[in-house]
Amino acid sequence: DSGVTQTPKHLITATGQRVTLRCSPRSGDLSVYWYQQSLDQGLQFLIQYYNGEERAKGNILERFSAQQFPDLHSELNLSSLELGDSALYFCASSVLVAGAYNEQFFGPGTRLTVL
Amino acid sequence: AQTVTQSQPEMSVQEAETVTLSCTYDTSESDYYLFWYKQPPSRQMILVIRQEAYKQQNATENRFSVNFQKAAKSFSLKISDSQLGDAAMYFCAYRSVYYASNTGNQFYFGTGTSLTVIP
Repeated sequence: DSGVTQTPKHLITATGQRVTLRCSPRSGDLSVYWYQQSLDQGLQFLIQYYNGEERAKGNILERFSAQQFPDLHSELNLSSLELGDSALYFCASSVLVAGAYNEQFFGPGTRLTVL
Repeated sequence: AQTVTQSQPEMSVQEAETVTLSCTYDTSESDYYLFWYKQPPSRQMILVIRQEAYKQQNATENRFSVNFQKAAKSFSLKISDSQLGDAAMYFCAYRSVYYASNTGNQFYFGTGTSLTVIP
């Protein structure tokens, strides 16, 4: 168990709908990262937050948005869903302190299926 | 942006044998961190081993070790005495020591190597 939690574990919805994925980082970790992994594909970096502020954006679609709240949990909002958005969405957290490895610890992922 | 290349999409190894997975990266930075992550069929991402570029000694974690060649920008993973539970997708990752306003504290992942362990 990495200490990172993600809910829900599975999500099935229809095209055009909007969903929210939730992530709680490890205790003490200030940074949260979101990734998308389509079937048999690598990890696509979406966005990073650090202590409530956006730090970096990757290949995140305009239909997607995220935020990190004062209690450090994060939500990824996906709207106007398309079939191609079906994927495994990972959240990872990292403490980010100077001089440390600051490895990412991954949650179990949310499997999104768009029908 | 940094790039990480894993040139072996698939590899296989006999149980109890040794296998080496390749990873190369492109960077102009002198200090950085490198990681290997494992993703078994459960799809959970698990940290296998890590290495700081500043350290010349290769990292070792039980049956897992790395061959870090900084000049060649190579970071290969060696799995000794392979076990059935080692069957997974393996991802190599790079992280800069430095924070950049446009890239934040991003990790750069390779495309992965799928390892099959043959009984």
